[in-house]
Amino acid sequence: NAGVMQNPRHLVRRRGQEARLRCSPMKGHSHVYWYRQLPEEGLKFMVYLQKENIIDESGMPKERFSAEFPKEGPSILRIQQVVRGDSAAYFCASSPAEETQYFGPGTRLLVL
Amino acid sequence: GENVEQHPSTLSVQEGDSAVIKCTYSDSASNYFPWYKQELGKGPQLIIDIRSNVGEKKDQRIAVTLNKTAKHFSLHITETQPEDSAVYFCAASHTGNQFYFGTGTSLTVIP
Repeated sequence: NAGVMQNPRHLVRRRGQEARLRCSPMKGHSHVYWYRQLPEEGLKFMVYLQKENIIDESGMPKERFSAEFPKEGPSILRIQQVVRGDSAAYFCASSPAEETQYFGPGTRLLVL
Repeated sequence: GENVEQHPSTLSVQEGDSAVIKCTYSDSASNYFPWYKQELGKGPQLIIDIRSNVGEKKDQRIAVTLNKTAKHFSLHITETQPEDSAVYFCAASHTGNQFYFGTGTSLTVIP
């Protein structure tokens, strides 16, 4: 059973561009969570999704950030008009049903 | 919301010694407490977890204890090995909701 997959693993964007991060949960998992980690800090919750629904987006900035988890395909975290402060590692986690969360390898975003 | 504090931030032990990392939480509704190990450049890996109806759980060299009254839980690693060197994070959640993470403990096991 493959683990949580994230791509790309590294992403470089210039200020003002869009960043699109993808997450494929483990097989059979319908719950996806996105977290952000700044250097030498803990993980901060951003958003929790189930198939086609956003359950909790209390940790996600109101502007420029959006997330989706369509019926078919991976979950997408989208950051529009990136700024330098968006540089971080973004981790996706999945769980089968409100249980233990299993994390992917992360996408390291660098904004120039 | 929940607030999780983790201590110490760095910990160095000699190979073969034990390591203990402590966390406290603020929300009495939290009922699930996982521990993750994160190696450089990788995602967090679940190493052990405990639910609020259990006081202690052990898996080989790793154990976790939970004191609900005092709202604290601890990770114990015995007979440490160099490969245990990593950053360890505790977390707390009310089942199904977001995880609230501690700030991490960088463990170094000296051969």
